[in-house]
Amino acid sequence: SAVISQKPSRDICQRGTSLTIQCQVDSQVTMMFWYRQQPGQSLTLIATANQGSEATYESGFVIDKFPISRPNLTFSTLTVSNMSPEDSSIYLCSVGTTGISTDTQYFGPGTRLTVL
Amino acid sequence: SQKIEQNSEALNIQEGKTATLTCNYTNYSPAYLQWYRQDPGRGPVFLLLIRENEKEKRKERLKVTFDTTLKQSLFHITASQPADSATYLCALTSSLTGRRALTFGSGTRLQVQP
Repeated sequence: SAVISQKPSRDICQRGTSLTIQCQVDSQVTMMFWYRQQPGQSLTLIATANQGSEATYESGFVIDKFPISRPNLTFSTLTVSNMSPEDSSIYLCSVGTTGISTDTQYFGPGTRLTVL
Repeated sequence: SQKIEQNSEALNIQEGKTATLTCNYTNYSPAYLQWYRQDPGRGPVFLLLIRENEKEKRKERLKVTFDTTLKQSLFHITASQPADSATYLCALTSSLTGRRALTFGSGTRLQVQP
């Protein structure tokens, strides 16, 4: 299994500002993902962070709003840009462990974001 | 459209009983289905994975069944304990698209009473 840390663990931000969330893994992984979990809801995939190339975004999420970096196989960042109260959520990174037939994911502890 | 449904109502059971949670899906051809546990304020934790050609998978007190005809998975916790209280999420990976990312259900909250 992989150990994943995220920074910050929580933040309170003003409308219109941006926040960058960091995700660090203790081993090299091929697949990293970013999810959002709004209050009382399940996880929604934002994008797949690809090392050395642009992230792959899901429907409803765009690079201008959620730019992602993946400079190496152990680190990724997600920026929430020009924030509004609707962006208040928990943001989680996860890593996929691809075996012959498994795609189990391991999740970080999440970043709780509140936008005022 | 693709949909994963879990009972949104909390499941309350007595300690020692078997908890059974349901995951139904539509418009999916999942390669495999996974169950995760999520505690408040934490990220989900992987519990079990079952492949499309498997009917049942067990791990200690946990058992998962997978019926691709009914498009349903059942998740059982036997001899439940208060420490099993959490939200349980099912997740699918589609074999059609080849996407490796997971799509999660909304989760069912389990409360085990002592």
